[in-house]
Amino acid sequence: QSALTQTASVSGSPGQSITISCTGTSSDVGSYNLVSWYQQHPGKAPKLMIYEDSKRPSGVSNRFSGSKSGNTASLTISGLQAEDEADYYCCSYAETRTWVFGEGTKLTVL
Amino acid sequence: EVQLVESGGGLVQPGGSLRLSCAASGFTFSSYEMNWVRQAPGKGLEWVSYISSSGATIYYADSVKGRFTISRDNAKNSLYLQMNSLRAEDTAVYYCARFLPYSYGTFEYWGQGTLVTVSS
Repeated sequence: QSALTQTASVSGSPGQSITISCTGTSSDVGSYNLVSWYQQHPGKAPKLMIYEDSKRPSGVSNRFSGSKSGNTASLTISGLQAEDEADYYCCSYAETRTWVFGEGTKLTVL
Repeated sequence: EVQLVESGGGLVQPGGSLRLSCAASGFTFSSYEMNWVRQAPGKGLEWVSYISSSGATIYYADSVKGRFTISRDNAKNSLYLQMNSLRAEDTAVYYCARFLPYSYGTFEYWGQGTLVTVSS
């Protein structure tokens, strides 16, 4: 199972919005409403930010939103803040009873 | 408060074995599906293995199938990963992660991780 494809890096200024994409196939992203997104700061464990394509866990800022079209899922962060600078990973269930993560995207807040 | 605390990592020679543990607290461990996810130094996340709440259903990534064994002891609120025939490419931080109930694939809570280094 190949990793989902994510842009290696993205940047934005405070207050701006950015979108991170996650491209899979019809065997994973495109077949199930089970894409989740994780934020990871250096040396820390990942943190769940979005699940089931677009649902936001309790306690996660509403500046984070998720969407999906076909085989591509997206994470949008609006009103960028300095603390948003981190690595972001998408993840999807795959039909082979496995779970596959994206390659990761490094977000830099300028 | 949900807590997952991994232990058992360390330095091991290629071909060697190691057993990781994950101690769970703050929730009814026996009701939740659990996983191991790893992250090689400077690399991305990789799902390793899944176990159902009862332990009856188990899945593995192809990269570890036949070498790693996941298990759990619900009486001890503990998750385990027995790793045999270790290779240099198994070097990683290993996280245990709890699934969100009724969401087949949402890693809701994560431990802080334990580092496994495979090197001679």
